[in-house]
Amino acid sequence: SQQGEEDPQALSIQEGENATMNCSYKTSINNLQWYRQNSGRGLVHLILIRSNEREKHSGRLRVTLDTSKKSSSLLITASRAADTASYFCATASNTGNQFYFGTGTSLTVIP
Amino acid sequence: KAGVTQTPRYLIKTRGQQVTLSCSPISGHRSVSWYQQTPGQGLQFLFEYFSETQRNKGNFPGRFSGRQFSNSRSEMNVSTLELGDSALYLCASSRSVGGTTEAFFGQGTRLTVV
Repeated sequence: SQQGEEDPQALSIQEGENATMNCSYKTSINNLQWYRQNSGRGLVHLILIRSNEREKHSGRLRVTLDTSKKSSSLLITASRAADTASYFCATASNTGNQFYFGTGTSLTVIP
Repeated sequence: KAGVTQTPRYLIKTRGQQVTLSCSPISGHRSVSWYQQTPGQGLQFLFEYFSETQRNKGNFPGRFSGRQFSNSRSEMNVSTLELGDSALYLCASSRSVGGTTEAFFGQGTRLTVV
């Protein structure tokens, strides 16, 4: 299976703290994308990082990519209760038309 | 710009019945993919359509089928429903630019088979 893994599986933090979650994948990639999913809802696209990029920022999000280790991390700074959700990383197949998702990190931000 | 629209949002069906789910992609996106999400298996790829042709297929039985229309809208059909088909079905709309494909998802259809 090319499915990746997120670590940790679950994370609980206080509002205002930073949250870091990691993703490992198995094959070479063109890009890696992070998504957020609120309970039982669809996936919201957060950020895309290309294989030739090492770090990318978007608002309170910071994503890093280490292709030599086949891993990525998502940092959410100054967390808010509204950040409570599951977070998934996804990599695309070589043709770009199939995505492989990790197992997800469930983040709980306590007000 | 409208996002990906999936209908219906919720469905309850009985074992043995069939069901059709619909997905309207983002305007200008020609690729539509379908995924099944269950607590045990996570997000699993079903199939992908591009310009009315199935380009890629995941490891699901033939009871799962789909099609895409000329306006890029897609439907997914599941026949002879089983209890294990209960899941959140997600549709993704994507477009490749400069070799990079970015996928955007709908809210999903929650299917419950009883």
